[in-house]
Amino acid sequence: GNSVTQMEGPVTLSEEAFLTINCTYTATGYPSLFWYVQYPGEGLQLLLKATKADDKGSNKGFEATYRKETTSFHLEKGSVQVSDSAVYFCALKPRGGSNYKLTFGKGTLLTVNP
Amino acid sequence: DVKVTQSSRYLVKRTGEKVFLECVQDMDHENMFWYRQDPGLGLRLIYFSYDVKMKEKGDIPEGYSVSREKKERFSLILESASTNQTSMYLCASSPIWEQGMTYEQYFGPGTRLTVT
Repeated sequence: GNSVTQMEGPVTLSEEAFLTINCTYTATGYPSLFWYVQYPGEGLQLLLKATKADDKGSNKGFEATYRKETTSFHLEKGSVQVSDSAVYFCALKPRGGSNYKLTFGKGTLLTVNP
Repeated sequence: DVKVTQSSRYLVKRTGEKVFLECVQDMDHENMFWYRQDPGLGLRLIYFSYDVKMKEKGDIPEGYSVSREKKERFSLILESASTNQTSMYLCASSPIWEQGMTYEQYFGPGTRLTVT
């Protein structure tokens, strides 16, 4: 079956530090990959996505590259801000039009201190 | 902007009560989903619906049922609430996926349910 494994948190960084949150997946074929973010007290919102190998998704200074050879989609940001404090979820959608389900990782809590 | 709203942000119910959680989306999406979110477990799919009156079980449907009488509204029902159903419940919606499009689910703010 499909699964997503992401690094366990919590992750605590100082402002302007470099961030990496690891994500690896297991799936048949070539799924679409996503990072969602959940700010305190809110629902999830899409942060970035990639639909095929070597695609790079980017948004708000965050980046992730779809690596087929290592089945990974690690999230990175060069300089985090206090406002980036949130829970980050890696997710996949299997290829094919009939399956709308997303498989999520367990989430990684990021806290950025001033 | 897509908007998904949930009827309550916080809810406290007693064991054995029947509980209704309501979700409404305003983007004419065909698909709607109910998840529960628990620390250390991430998001787990309870049920989803791909059309009015159509539903499909997710990964953890036991103890829950759903209703979709209108396209914009998807209800989650706890027939007899138990303490192990204390959780954050998230509703989401999405359009039908078509070849070449970027798929995205849109989430509501969540309902934190406590069963005592």
